[in-house]
Amino acid sequence: GESVGLHLPTLSVQEGDNSIINCAYSNSASDYFIWYKQESGKGPQFIIDIRSNMDKRQGQRVTVLLNKTVKHLSLQIAATQPGDSAVYFCAENSDFGNEKLTFGTGTRLTIIP
Amino acid sequence: GAVVSQHPSRVICKSGTSVKIECRSLDFQATTMFWYRQFPKQSLMLMATSNEGSKATYEQGVEKDKFLINHASLTLSTLTVTSAHPEDSSFYICSARRGHRETQYFGPGTRLLVL
Repeated sequence: GESVGLHLPTLSVQEGDNSIINCAYSNSASDYFIWYKQESGKGPQFIIDIRSNMDKRQGQRVTVLLNKTVKHLSLQIAATQPGDSAVYFCAENSDFGNEKLTFGTGTRLTIIP
Repeated sequence: GAVVSQHPSRVICKSGTSVKIECRSLDFQATTMFWYRQFPKQSLMLMATSNEGSKATYEQGVEKDKFLINHASLTLSTLTVTSAHPEDSSFYICSARRGHRETQYFGPGTRLLVL
């Protein structure tokens, strides 16, 4: 079946460095992707999204890159801060009628002070 | 932004009892709300999709008679876990969106512990 997965379950980055979190998706028909941040005991927080007609989108300290050729999504966080420590999920729009989201397995990002 | 709240944030109940969880969109009207379940160190799993004024659509493997969903208004959806058992202990999270092709915004989650 279709799935959204992440390459790395954990990632540790020195404070101030940049981090890159990767995600592979398998449904080539998906046209909308979102990155969420989830801190311990809390609900997911929207970070940034991108539609398939774009290959790059930037926000505040974050950039999402979409490579439709290899079905790969990445989240870049610049100048990481301790507050960036969390689990990051990519999500894929997998059902165009109901627009359900399929979540990846998540990557735990730890910022080392 | 869009704010979604959940109540209660944490609940402990005895096996066999029912628990109701509320999900509210505070600053927007949500035509669709979603209910997810998340077990420790796992990803979010969609349980059901709820459209205001109509019956919820449940994902495969989710018992609709056990997890009752009501979406009576554009700002409120409720999930009732009926005859809860210890295996129902989990983190339940709702999300809401304004309309078609809009972003989903998530609530803070409700941690359910069934003893």
